[in-house]
Amino acid sequence: AQSVTQPDIHITVSEGASLELRCNYSYGATPYLFWYVQSPGQGLQLLLKYFSGDTLVQGIKGFEAEFKRSQSSFNLRKPSVHWSDAAEYFCAVGQMDSSYKLIFGSGTRLLVRP
Amino acid sequence: GAGVSQSPSNKVTEKGKDVELRCDPISGHTALYWYRQSLGQGLEFLIYFQGNSAPDKSGLPSDRFSAERTGGSVSTLTIQRTQQEDSAVYLCASSLERRVGIYTQYFGPGTRLTVL
Repeated sequence: AQSVTQPDIHITVSEGASLELRCNYSYGATPYLFWYVQSPGQGLQLLLKYFSGDTLVQGIKGFEAEFKRSQSSFNLRKPSVHWSDAAEYFCAVGQMDSSYKLIFGSGTRLLVRP
Repeated sequence: GAGVSQSPSNKVTEKGKDVELRCDPISGHTALYWYRQSLGQGLEFLIYFQGNSAPDKSGLPSDRFSAERTGGSVSTLTIQRTQQEDSAVYLCASSLERRVGIYTQYFGPGTRLTVL
């Protein structure tokens, strides 16, 4: 069965510092991968997605992610974090059946120190 | 354009009561999903609608949960005889039909359900 692991429950970084959020997936073929962000009391907003092609994908708000098949990873990065980036981040893989439902990781909560 | 909308934003109910949660997908999106976000279970899939095809109900946790989609647009998730463990945020998402080759789910703000 497909699964997604986000090993870090919480991460705290200083404003202006770089950020990397880890995501590992379990799937036999090339997956469809996503990163979503959820601010308090809000729904999920798509940051970026990987379907195929270039393994480094750019997203909104200055985020990028790199698909590494050999490591089954899709880590999210940002070179300089802003206080407004404080939120919860979810990695997800698209189920490869007729529904294409998303399987989510447990999320990583990002705290930003001033 | 308008995104996915859900109503109500918050719902407090008593144990044993029935509740209905509504989702309005993005116009033109034929696929619609319901997910549940709870402290213990994280984000989990509930049900999927695609056009006129039979829905994928594989994620519904019990027969107290049901959903319908009328006219290929608005969807209602119904929980009968609510239990305290049903307390969660219920998220709706929509996307363009899969065969178009575009597969990104756009989420609504959710309905926070509290069962007392």
